[in-house]
Amino acid sequence: SQQGEEDPQALSIQEGENATMNCSYKTSINNLQWYRQNSGRGLVHLILIRSNEREKHSGRLRVTLDTSKKSSSLLITASRAADTASYFCATAATLLKTSYDKVIFGPGTSLSVIP
Amino acid sequence: AAGVIQSPRHLIKEKRETATLKCYPIPRHDTVYWYQQGPGQDPQFLISFYEKMQSDKGSIPDRFSAQQFSDYHSELNMSSLELGDSALYFCASSNIGGGDTEAFFGQGTRLTVV
Repeated sequence: SQQGEEDPQALSIQEGENATMNCSYKTSINNLQWYRQNSGRGLVHLILIRSNEREKHSGRLRVTLDTSKKSSSLLITASRAADTASYFCATAATLLKTSYDKVIFGPGTSLSVIP
Repeated sequence: AAGVIQSPRHLIKEKRETATLKCYPIPRHDTVYWYQQGPGQDPQFLISFYEKMQSDKGSIPDRFSAQQFSDYHSELNMSSLELGDSALYFCASSNIGGGDTEAFFGQGTRLTVV
């Protein structure tokens, strides 16, 4: 089963506006992480939210997690041109009958912030 | 703080050659994950190791193999390289045994097959 599906696939906004990206998943998870990736560069960890948390803030980032709907959202407030990047959610779930975790990425949202 | 180290950062190989990518996890991390990210694609899970044993396998071709060594570093061996293997390969580590499932990623190795 696929984890971490994001929408929208692409988002274009004006500088100063807020950007909201959503992520849905299918199975129980231990945590959900959001990453940013500039074109062709490495993954930058933004924020982690655990399954027993509902909301977390980090600077201009706000992440929510609704385990009943199996969904998460990433809100970037007062966007800047430098926020232009791809944003991925990744879910960590324990493999059945093991103590191992598997981290799966969603397809990502391409955010363009227009100056 | 120490992060996940991947080497080399860039690698150019010819078709049918072999490549070895290395990953050094954060100290005391017991789990390593490998991902492949093709151009314009999302990262795809390849394989993971926990305490030097393979813990899960994703969409890893039979031409690829990997292992985790006694010092917890991991190597991804890729043989009979194809043009389609050109991608960014990420390694991540976490401390599953310590109860922390947060994965930390390296900067990736960019493999170009020509």
